[in-house]
Amino acid sequence: NAGVTQTPKFQVLKTGQSMTLQCAQDMNHEYMSWYRQDPGMGLRLIHYSVGAGITDQGEVPNGYNVSRSTTEDFPLRLLSAAPSQTSVYFCASSLLWDSQETQYFGPGTRLLVL
Amino acid sequence: AQTVTQSQPEMSVQEAETVTLSCTYDTSESDYYLFWYKQPPSRQMILVIRQEAYKQQNATENRFSVNFQKAAKSFSLKISDSQLGDAAMYFCAYRSPQGAQKLVFGQGTRLTINP
Repeated sequence: NAGVTQTPKFQVLKTGQSMTLQCAQDMNHEYMSWYRQDPGMGLRLIHYSVGAGITDQGEVPNGYNVSRSTTEDFPLRLLSAAPSQTSVYFCASSLLWDSQETQYFGPGTRLLVL
Repeated sequence: AQTVTQSQPEMSVQEAETVTLSCTYDTSESDYYLFWYKQPPSRQMILVIRQEAYKQQNATENRFSVNFQKAAKSFSLKISDSQLGDAAMYFCAYRSPQGAQKLVFGQGTRLTINP
């Protein structure tokens, strides 16, 4: 198993540009989520999904879109990047209803918006 | 909404000594899960230890143990016999048993190990 993979590892964008951060998992996990990590603020939930076709907002959803067309993939879209979106982004996945299950995190994508 | 607070932005300890990282949380739920994650310079998030709120016994994983005080809503992490490889950011996290597996993280504590 590759676990949770994220691409790209690092990206520089100009203000107003759009891009998609990719996330994939090969563990057949129902639950997938996106977090952003900023200094002094820990990780904050952006969007999450409990299965294909089902998504919901987390704590900081503004400026981001998601969709879940397959169990494996959960891309995060920035439609018009802003400097405030400079951050490190983590994708995570887990089984949905297993209380013993822990979340598996991807390696992160570092995004710099100029 | 639940909140998690780590009041120590930075901590340092001498190699082989013991250090305790603090975490407090706020919730109205009676059942929940608490976690400590380690993030080394590689940025990979690594689960260190987990605690179910309904269990009175404190969780232990080798050199890592927790002091879970449910009434005080406190969940501290003790690292014994600190090693250079323990240097990292440590995050405390809360998860509700209801609905999806959303995690609420604290701000993090950067741990430095002095040789």
